[in-house]
Amino acid sequence: EIVMTQSPDTLSVSPGERATLSCRASQSVNSNLAWYQQKPGQAPRLLIYGASTRATGVPARFSASGSGTEFTLTISSLQSEDFAVYSCQQYNNWPLFTFGPGTKVNI
Amino acid sequence: QLQLQESGPGLVKPSETLSLTCKVSGGSITSNDHFWGWIRQPPGKGLECIGSLYHSGSAYYNPSLKSRVVLSLDTSRDQFSLKLNSVTAADTAVYFCARITWDGLDVWGQGTTVTVSS
Repeated sequence: EIVMTQSPDTLSVSPGERATLSCRASQSVNSNLAWYQQKPGQAPRLLIYGASTRATGVPARFSASGSGTEFTLTISSLQSEDFAVYSCQQYNNWPLFTFGPGTKVNI
Repeated sequence: QLQLQESGPGLVKPSETLSLTCKVSGGSITSNDHFWGWIRQPPGKGLECIGSLYHSGSAYYNPSLKSRVVLSLDTSRDQFSLKLNSVTAADTAVYFCARITWDGLDVWGQGTTVTVSS
């Protein structure tokens, strides 16, 4: 099983600042990596797929990069609505997949 | 607009079977481009894939749950189901259903909380 890890566990950022989140896979997942945003009491929302492609309707302040085992999600200028938990997901063995434990972005 | 809605008991006794259904509306479960999946999230923890299902009936299961899970679908009702047997407190979680595309899970249900307790 491919194990996903994320760092940091929690990130404290002020509005308007930049946030950089990391995700690592235990083995190569090529570019089969997605990022999700989840707010309390809500289902996850797909932000990024293919390691770097924004999903429909996702603001341009969200960007992502990486391939193989190392991936990064960047939020260029945090807005109040961006404070949430961000999880990465590999789907290299689609249609099965595994998620990382998440990074909580705090004010 | 495609919507998914989970339903089922919120409380299940230990050793019994957890049964949930996901109703698909605004679209068809027989789409050739999509799988349908179940994901769960224990309190305060990360997301876990339970398994995924194609409209042909082909199912794929998380190896750690495979011995206890059965996924099925009803194309006439545009819904798919999860059965998890021999539940314990460790199966307490929010259970989500979702549409699986080639590039991630793009539509999710709101989730339903299932507690395993006597």
